[in-house]
Amino acid sequence: AQKITQTQPGMFVQEKEAVTLDCTYDTSDPSYGLFWYKQPSSGEMIFLIYQGSYDQQNATEGRYSLNFQKARKSANLVISASQLGDSAMYFCAMRPHGSGNTGKLIFGQGTTLQVKP
Amino acid sequence: DAGVIQSPRHEVTEMGQEVTLRCKPISGHDYLFWYRQTMMRGLELLIYFNNNVPIDDSGMPEDRFSAKMPNASFSTLKIQPSEPRDSAVYFCASSPKLRGNYGYTFGSGTRLTVV
Repeated sequence: AQKITQTQPGMFVQEKEAVTLDCTYDTSDPSYGLFWYKQPSSGEMIFLIYQGSYDQQNATEGRYSLNFQKARKSANLVISASQLGDSAMYFCAMRPHGSGNTGKLIFGQGTTLQVKP
Repeated sequence: DAGVIQSPRHEVTEMGQEVTLRCKPISGHDYLFWYRQTMMRGLELLIYFNNNVPIDDSGMPEDRFSAKMPNASFSTLKIQPSEPRDSAVYFCASSPKLRGNYGYTFGSGTRLTVV
């Protein structure tokens, strides 16, 4: 079964500190993509970062980095130097590339992050 | 680029009425997706199109839901008749490809309330 698990319903972090949001996934497909999206209170879905299953290095985009541990099937998002504007819901998602699955971006349940001033 | 454009932003309708949600994808994106977001079920893929052709509609809840893409720049999701359990945020998203570093670009969503 294809599944994304985010075990942290809510997280708090102090402004300017780093925070890690957990994500584990389950797939039998050898090829897949992993994504993180941010959903602020306004509701839009904002694409943050992508990691391919065959990528050798962890993905980074500005203050976002993805801690990819393939053997453990985890794809944690690290946000460095948190800002008040980072307060939002964060979704981990997976897109398996196997036959019958191509195109389906599967989302976890999300983690609500609150940044404290 | 204006991004993925959805209309209306909010829709309140009475049970039994027909509801039509609209989406304009990003020009040049060959893939269009309709998602539904609820507290109970999270984000669910309803249907997606490739070059205006429906590829996978296995997520469409039931026959009351239908989606069309008459051309590359327009898609609709229709619910007829609507029911209170259809209340949700409906997102449209588009992507140029299905592999590689192509995150889906989402529209702002339509918040549907069926009373």
